[in-house]
Amino acid sequence: DTEVTQTPKHLVMGMTNKKSLKCEQHMGHRAMYWYKQKAKKPPELMFVYSYEKLSINESVPSRFSPECPNSSLLNLHLHALQPEDSALYLCASSRLGATGLDTEAFFGQGTRLTVV
Amino acid sequence: AQSVTQLDSHVSVSEGTPVLLRCNYSSSYSPSLFWYVQHPNKGLQLLLKYTSAATLVKGINGFEAEFKKSETSFHLTKPSAHMSDAAEYFCVVRATGRRALTFGSGTRLQVQP
Repeated sequence: DTEVTQTPKHLVMGMTNKKSLKCEQHMGHRAMYWYKQKAKKPPELMFVYSYEKLSINESVPSRFSPECPNSSLLNLHLHALQPEDSALYLCASSRLGATGLDTEAFFGQGTRLTVV
Repeated sequence: AQSVTQLDSHVSVSEGTPVLLRCNYSSSYSPSLFWYVQHPNKGLQLLLKYTSAATLVKGINGFEAEFKKSETSFHLTKPSAHMSDAAEYFCVVRATGRRALTFGSGTRLQVQP
């Protein structure tokens, strides 16, 4: 199984809503990532988890709250978002190599988020 | 600091003709380099990777790339384009010791019938 599964595929939420994006992988990868991709732009890194601990936060606003409950799951909790947060949110995972460094990343299909 | 520059934002080829997507990188140390493809409204799929083994790397769907340290390039090629190759292609670098991937701005490949 070389898949990273993201749910939901599409999400429309109001600015006062609370919602969560979910990501799951069963490849035994110990590094997991959230990326944000705006239309016609490359993905931008938001968060990195390694061994279920947050290791990188790219100065993401607190209305985005990541959570890694176990080695297979990664969540992104959303609250009080703005319309400009509308984007494709991509989850990825990678194996941590022998030196502790990441190998190639495997991406999910993404969640298309629209904030109204 | 590492960075990657994709020299063409848009490339158009005819079906059956060769594909060349150009990528130059900048990295302080020996980097790992990747090419990913993204079809419309889809996630990213790894095409191939270079991690300091052979300089000519073969990937999926007939794509290959050559790492040229002297030119700091990692161009993606395919001998014969297929309609299904139409997509966005990203050149990606990870510098040694760095956790995060750095993406190029992307090249949109259009394949004409």
